[in-house]
Order: sequence, then structure tokens, then C-alpha cells
Amino acid sequence: AQTVTQSQPEMSVQEAETVTLSCTYDTSESNYYLFWYKQPPSRQMILVIRQEAYKQQNATENRFSVNFQKAAKSFSLKISDSQLGDTAMYFCAFIKMNRDDKIIFGKGTRLHILP
Amino acid sequence: EPEVTQTPSHQVTQMGQEVILRCVPISNHLYFYWYRQILGQKVEFLVSFYNNEISEKSEIFDDQFSVERPDGSNFTLKIRSTKLEDSAMYFCASSYFEKLFFGSGTQLSVL
Repeated sequence: AQTVTQSQPEMSVQEAETVTLSCTYDTSESNYYLFWYKQPPSRQMILVIRQEAYKQQNATENRFSVNFQKAAKSFSLKISDSQLGDTAMYFCAFIKMNRDDKIIFGKGTRLHILP
Repeated sequence: EPEVTQTPSHQVTQMGQEVILRCVPISNHLYFYWYRQILGQKVEFLVSFYNNEISEKSEIFDDQFSVERPDGSNFTLKIRSTKLEDSAMYFCASSYFEKLFFGSGTQLSVL
């Protein structure tokens, strides 16, 4: 069975700083996708970034980038130039490359951006 | 941009009552899901639905839960006799390949 582990329950950084959220996962699959979802206080689930396991290049979306280490089964999220609006819960997630498979979430990291 | 729509956004019910949570998935999606999140906890899978039948369900999804796609557009989650521990945010999601889109959730409060 797949598992996703986020070892940082809570983090705080100053606005404009860079912050890295950690995620490790366990799977025997070779093809899969990894995601970071943001959940602001509204509790909506917002997709931040997606990584295909078969791609060596790390995904980037504006200020958000990942460090994907397939052999180490590590998938960290880096937020550059952090903004107050980045304050949220962040969930790392995994899905096998089967069309109907369920997504597995980590327990989340609560990120506070301080003014 | 197309989105998954959930109604109502908040539902308050008495313990033992039946509730139906409604979702309108994105129109060309074929796979539908319900997830729940108890306050302060992680998002948990409940059930996946494809081709008008359940494809997978978790141990949480017991006989009190059922899902239905009554008219080809709506996707509903029914809880027959709610318990206090059913209080949670319920998310509907639909997918096209690996792109999973979540609705904004229904906050269910069981009193």
C-alpha cells in the first residue's frame, strides 16, 4: 500500500523568505504522480503543482517548485518569495498511474507566513 | 475554467437523520470520488465511482453510506443515519486521467 509522510506538522517563515516543505512517500509502483495541494482557511483544495514520476525534470509553477528525488522517494515543495496569501495547510499527495485509482494524502503541513 | 460544484456548502443535521450531499462533476470527466476531512486531520478517501458503479471504497464507507449518479450529471453521497463522528468537510472530486479536481466542499455538522 502507498503511504505519504509529511514530517513537519507546522512551520512559520517571514514574508519574502523561501521555505521548503518536506514529503516522503512509499510505493512499489514505478509510474505515478505526485502533487502538492494547498488548503487555505476556506478549506478549499487547490492544486499547487504536479510531478510525473517518469519525468526527471522538477516541476515549476511560478514561485513554487519541487525537488523530486525518485530513488529516495522524496518530493519537497519550495516556495520562493513567500507571500501572506501562502498561509495555508499544504498536503502532499500520491496517485498511481491508473485512471481510476484514489489519491493518497499526507497529514499536511500548516504553513504560517509572518508579516 | 470548469469546476466541480458542491451543494450545500454547509449542512447541519440531527444525529440519526439522513443527509444527501450533492455534487456536479466536470462534464467530460468519467471518474468521481468522495473524500472527507475531519477538522484538523488529513483528507481521507471514501469512495470512487466509474461507469455507474463503485470501483473502490474505504473501510470508512460502511453500509450507512451510498453514492448515486441519478441523472447523468449529479453525483450524490447519502448518509442514512448520521452519527456525531460523521461531522466533517466532505469533498467531491472528478478526474480526467490523473488530473483530479476538487469541489469546494460541504461542511457537515451533526448535532
